Amino acid sequence: DTGVSQNPRHKITKRGQNVTFRCDPISEHNRLYWYRQTLGQGPEFLTYFQNEAQLEKSRLLSDRFSAERPKGSFSTLEIQRTEQGDSAMYLCASSRDRGDPPYNEQFFGPGTRLTVL
Amino acid sequence: QKEVEQDPGPLSVPEGAIVSLNCTYSNSAFQYFMWYRQYSRKGPELLMYTYSSGNKEDGRFTAQVDKSSKYISLFIRDSQPSDSATYLCAMSGGGNTPLVFGKGTRLSVIA
Repeated sequence: DTGVSQNPRHKITKRGQNVTFRCDPISEHNRLYWYRQTLGQGPEFLTYFQNEAQLEKSRLLSDRFSAERPKGSFSTLEIQRTEQGDSAMYLCASSRDRGDPPYNEQFFGPGTRLTVL
Repeated sequence: QKEVEQDPGPLSVPEGAIVSLNCTYSNSAFQYFMWYRQYSRKGPELLMYTYSSGNKEDGRFTAQVDKSSKYISLFIRDSQPSDSATYLCAMSGGGNTPLVFGKGTRLSVIA
C-alpha cells in the first residue's frame, strides 16, 4: 500500500454540472477527512468519517455537497450544480484512531484539482 | 480574525541559512500543533507535531510552542534547496479531530 489515492487527479467541468471524486485511504485507517484548498490558502476542513459514520460537517459544506463512505473503506465526494467558486483542490486524508493522545497523523492524498468553467 | 494566522511570504533565503517560520492562533482549546510541508501540486506531508507546549527537535527541524502567547514556530537549520516548498502550520483540539490550517508560507532556498 503506497498511501492515500484520489481520483481523478484533475477535473474540468462546466458550471451546473455534477462531479464526483473518489478517495481510497490507507488500509486499516478508520478515519477519513475531506479538505478543500484554494490558491494561496491552507486546506479547509469539509467533513470527516469514522468508519462509515459521518461525524462532522463544516459550514463550508453546502447542501450541494454530499460525502459518503458506504463500507468504511473508500469515500466519495459529490458536488451538484457546480459553481465557479467550487474551483479548488479537494484533498482527502486518512488516519488510524489509536486514542488521544498521541496525535494520529493524517496522511494526505495528492488531491483532485477541480476547475469549473 | 482567522483562528490561525500565518504570514504567506514568499520567503527567500540563501542555502545554509536558518529559517524561522511562525503562526499565531486565537483558540485556546488547541492542544496539538503540526507543521506540514507541501510541494507544488502535491498533498501536505507531516514534518513535526507537538502536543501542548514545549520544544521538539528532529534533525535540522525544531518546533516550538508557546501556549501562553498562542505562538508556534518552526526553525530549519542549514537550509537546502530541497527545502523549497510551502510550509503549513496546523492545529487541533484533539488527536483525531479535523485540522485548522494557516495559509502557508512559501519558502525558496537559493543555491
